[in-house]
Amino acid sequence: QVQLQESGPGLVKPSETLSLTCTVSSASIDSYYWSWIRQPPGKGLEWIGYVNYLGTPHYNPSLNSRVSISLGTSRNQFSLRLSSVTAADTAMYYCAFMNNLGVVTFWGQGALVIVSS
Amino acid sequence: DIVMTQSPDSLAVSLGERATINCKSSQSVLYSSNNKNYIAWYQQKPGQPPKLLIYWASTRESGVPDRISGSGSGTDFTLTISSLQAEDVAVYYCQEYYTTSYTFGQGTKLEIK
Repeated sequence: QVQLQESGPGLVKPSETLSLTCTVSSASIDSYYWSWIRQPPGKGLEWIGYVNYLGTPHYNPSLNSRVSISLGTSRNQFSLRLSSVTAADTAMYYCAFMNNLGVVTFWGQGALVIVSS
Repeated sequence: DIVMTQSPDSLAVSLGERATINCKSSQSVLYSSNNKNYIAWYQQKPGQPPKLLIYWASTRESGVPDRISGSGSGTDFTLTISSLQAEDVAVYYCQEYYTTSYTFGQGTKLEIK
């Protein structure tokens, strides 16, 4: 059972950079794919991207120019950075484990990030 | 990009009755080399993250009750709950993993009538 926990600021100002970290337990990030998925309040799910165990990222094309996902310096963490945020980026941000099929099998509890001045 | 469209947007079913949720992809998600449909279904209860129910369109994840099943091929897929229980109240999402966009449907809210 892979466990994931998001952490980071819950409030970000417009035009600034959103940064979140996911801490993984009961698994090593030396395998598979480590993802970020978001959900605006009352809306559906949007896949943001993943970083694989080699550190190679892959992003949703709609966010590609603003997003960066990377493995952490700690062997059990990975992170998300989203630049130039606007109110439209207000959402619950989930980190998740994606298996080699591309199926998301474990999710964190989510971190609510509000973009507001 | 693949567009995933679910129907209906919301559904109210009586306890013990059948619930059917549909998902249509804008292009086939059947991979000919292995004859598998790259569709997953997730259940999201209020205040919780989504939970994987089904992958390969019809393979139940471990621990998922057998009253929940998936079917379909190509572009048209269905999630069926054969006998609705109170704990099945949730929003259900389909997702394609045929492309590396991993697109979700917009969700279907299932309630008790």
